[in-house]
Amino acid sequence: NAGVTQTPKFRVLKTGQSMTLLCAQDMNHEYMYWYRQDPGMGLRLIHYSVGEGTTAKGEVPDGYNVSRLKKQNFLLGLESAAPSQTSVYFCASSAPTGNGEEPQHFGDGTRLSIL
Amino acid sequence: TQLLEQSPQFLSIQEGENLTVYCNSSSVFSSLQWYRQEPGEGPVLLVTVVTGGEVKKLKRLTFQFGDARKDSSLHITAAQPGDTGLYLCAGGGTQGGSEKLVFGKGMKLTVNP
Repeated sequence: NAGVTQTPKFRVLKTGQSMTLLCAQDMNHEYMYWYRQDPGMGLRLIHYSVGEGTTAKGEVPDGYNVSRLKKQNFLLGLESAAPSQTSVYFCASSAPTGNGEEPQHFGDGTRLSIL
Repeated sequence: TQLLEQSPQFLSIQEGENLTVYCNSSSVFSSLQWYRQEPGEGPVLLVTVVTGGEVKKLKRLTFQFGDARKDSSLHITAAQPGDTGLYLCAGGGTQGGSEKLVFGKGMKLTVNP
């Protein structure tokens, strides 16, 4: 059972470089999410998607873009990395139940450092 | 902006002690989820509570949803070193749809043998 798989697990970038974080889920979930987790800040939603071809902004979307071309994949892009984007990034997925009870299934995170 | 405040933020106790973690908000949620996260891993769901006043038990863990569905608590009885981790509460169902969760900042628990 792979669940939610994130690649890469670790990455170091220089300021101004770009990169894409990959998230894949094998549970046929409709909803997918990207969070960042910083010390003392908890999990903050960056972008999310409620289905293939649709994306929406979360709490902290600036500096990030996303794409959901296939149902099982959700990509997070940093066009011009900044030190403030140093964080641990988590992808999650869930199946809609319509009543706010659906659990989110998380990957193990990507640890990103921007120098 | 909806907020979930967790307290305490850090707790270090000895094996065998009891503890309670609180999750409070001024907003009403249709559900409240509790997750546990270990170092180097993503959060994993422990329980979901959906009815005001609901109490759920998971072995030594007892979860309660407030009557007004604005707060929740997690009580651990006779804590063990394996309980060490970050405990996160998350509220769902109030942001124009049930797909998004609002997370608290978490409570980092260390249980010393």
